[in-house]
Amino acid sequence: EVQLVESGGGLVQPGRSLRLSCAASGFSFDDYAMHWVRQAPGKGLEWVSGISWNRGSIGYADSVKGRFTISRDNAKNSLYLQMNSLRPEDTALYYCAKDSDPHGWYFFDFWGQGTLVTVSS
Amino acid sequence: EIVLTQSPGTLSLSPGERATLSCRASQSVTRSYLAWYQQKPGQAPRLLIYGASSRATDIPDRFSGSGSGTDFTLTISRLEPEDFAVYYCQQYGSSPPYTFGQGTKLEIK
Repeated sequence: EVQLVESGGGLVQPGRSLRLSCAASGFSFDDYAMHWVRQAPGKGLEWVSGISWNRGSIGYADSVKGRFTISRDNAKNSLYLQMNSLRPEDTALYYCAKDSDPHGWYFFDFWGQGTLVTVSS
Repeated sequence: EIVLTQSPGTLSLSPGERATLSCRASQSVTRSYLAWYQQKPGQAPRLLIYGASSRATDIPDRFSGSGSGTDFTLTISRLEPEDFAVYYCQQYGSSPPYTFGQGTKLEIK
């Protein structure tokens, strides 16, 4: 059974940093691209960032480019999102999602339950 | 960037009825690379349809997708109580960046 478990969310002041993690199990993690998708309270889905299986292809939404960095450790079956210079508009539930393809940029066939990030003073 | 517009914003129907949800793209979606997701309150999204018309694993056959180019439709043939949720379309033909529609809320009438 595929499982994606996010962690690392919390309350943080504007301008500070936070690092999210996603622990994957139940599939060959190093065979698939992975993504972060967020959902602000009461709002829709917004893709944040994605990374291919071998880190050879990485993409970011314009809203986070230059502030967020995605990474992965295939030996630890883990995906990460380093979030710097956080803003109140970054407040959201952050989901980890598995791509259906190794190289990425296809649909998302499994999602975690999310970790909540609140940016407020 | 492709903008996806879903309609209606809210759809009120009764169990047993047929639901038709629309997703319109601002430009043609490459190779009909369009997916549909279902999200229930407090839950993560779940993949329903990919490639505009292919059902994901374990998705009941009352769910069907159709369309190409800029116009896509998700149809639920006979609504079950568990189908009332929010539905999102997503294009992945011109990614990154991915784009999602704003969602259609399917509520019980």
